[in-house]
Amino acid sequence: DGGITQSPKYLFRKEGQNVTLSCEQNLNHDAMYWYRQDPGQGLRLIYYSQIVNDFQKGDIAEGYSVSREKKESFPLTVTSAQKNPTAFYLCASSTGTSYGYTFGSGTRLTVV
Amino acid sequence: GDSVTQMEGPVTLSEEAFLTINCTYTATGYPSLFWYVQYPGEGLQLLLKATKADDKGSNKGFEATYRKETTSFHLEKGSVQVSDSAVYFCALVHNTGTASKLTFGTGTRLQVTL
Repeated sequence: DGGITQSPKYLFRKEGQNVTLSCEQNLNHDAMYWYRQDPGQGLRLIYYSQIVNDFQKGDIAEGYSVSREKKESFPLTVTSAQKNPTAFYLCASSTGTSYGYTFGSGTRLTVV
Repeated sequence: GDSVTQMEGPVTLSEEAFLTINCTYTATGYPSLFWYVQYPGEGLQLLLKATKADDKGSNKGFEATYRKETTSFHLEKGSVQVSDSAVYFCALVHNTGTASKLTFGTGTRLQVTL
């Protein structure tokens, strides 16, 4: 079955360390997205990518970085510059705006 | 810019009660509208959508009608079940290319009790 796989589901890191969250899709979607979700809040866009080797900043890109070397993969790195990285991170992809997004099951990052 | 406003939660209902979750939006033109559902610890799942005015999206007993005149897309269900307990997000997107960004509301938590 086609879908989006995020790994790991839970991730613990020490403060000051960089950490990379994986997102892989086999839906043949061109566009991919990263969102951050904090308790009781909506989703905030971190980065998005329309095509391979191209990506744009979202609303809260500071302290994060991404790459898009393959159509199927859109990893997110949470750097030590991100002041409050503990959150639930969601990856999504889409093939066209009228179809909405397909979401992964998320990665819960806890920085201690 | 675009925005989506949802009613504050949590919404607490007894099983078999009628559900309405209000959603209004601010956007230029004719965006597509969506409802997503998020179960605890999981990602979001598309529940239903409408791409033009007066369209009605429906799925699993849930319905929402795209009302351009009131800029609303309220979610309704005639008889809720305990299994419907989740967080519901209203969202919109402009039909302007492949990677248009969805704008989400803050979500409304629904709790259904026996």
